[in-house]
Amino acid sequence: AQSVTQLGSHVSVSEGALVLLRCNYSSSVPPYLFWYVQYPNQGLQLLLKYTSAATLVKGINGFEAEFKKSETSFHLTKPSAHMSDAAEYFCAVSLISNFGNEKLTFGTGTRLTIIP
Amino acid sequence: DAGVTQSPTHLIKTRGQQVTLRCSPKSGHDTVSWYQQALGQGPQFIFQYYEEEERQRGNFPDRFSGHQFPNYSSELNVNALLLGDSALYLCASSFTRGLDTQYFGPGTRLTVL
Repeated sequence: AQSVTQLGSHVSVSEGALVLLRCNYSSSVPPYLFWYVQYPNQGLQLLLKYTSAATLVKGINGFEAEFKKSETSFHLTKPSAHMSDAAEYFCAVSLISNFGNEKLTFGTGTRLTIIP
Repeated sequence: DAGVTQSPTHLIKTRGQQVTLRCSPKSGHDTVSWYQQALGQGPQFIFQYYEEEERQRGNFPDRFSGHQFPNYSSELNVNALLLGDSALYLCASSFTRGLDTQYFGPGTRLTVL
């Protein structure tokens, strides 16, 4: 079974500062990893995904994440925070089998607040 | 190209009632997954449908059932509603024959009184 742990349910950063949201995973086989963002009263939007190609993955809105197998981590970063980045962020893990996309297992989320 | 759509957007029911939620997948997608997101929590997988059959199921009771139609749209049914069923219900669609991503709809907010 696979799982993810997101460290820090709330993170606050100043506008223009580095954003770092932490995610550690557990999986018995090589995983596929995702970061989704959720704005208030909306569904989930994919930021980026790791599917066993390059370990440094670039996503939308200037976000990127690095897959580190030795640390079982997939932390999300953005060099300079913008007010529009304020949202809830979810890390998720899945397996890809002969069925195609398996279920996503989500972390509990990190609420990002941007301080003007 | 329309994304994943869900209806209704909001729903209020009372305990013991039954509810049906609907989902239309993104164009070209053949697989639909349903998730429950309780307030302040991450989404929890309910089940996944492909070729009109339930292919995977999460840890949810039989009160939760679903259906997929030939046009790939899907319904989620919940019987004998409990207060704890109050949540945002998210539908996600994907294309099975590829390493594709699950794309989410805006969700249906269900409140059980």
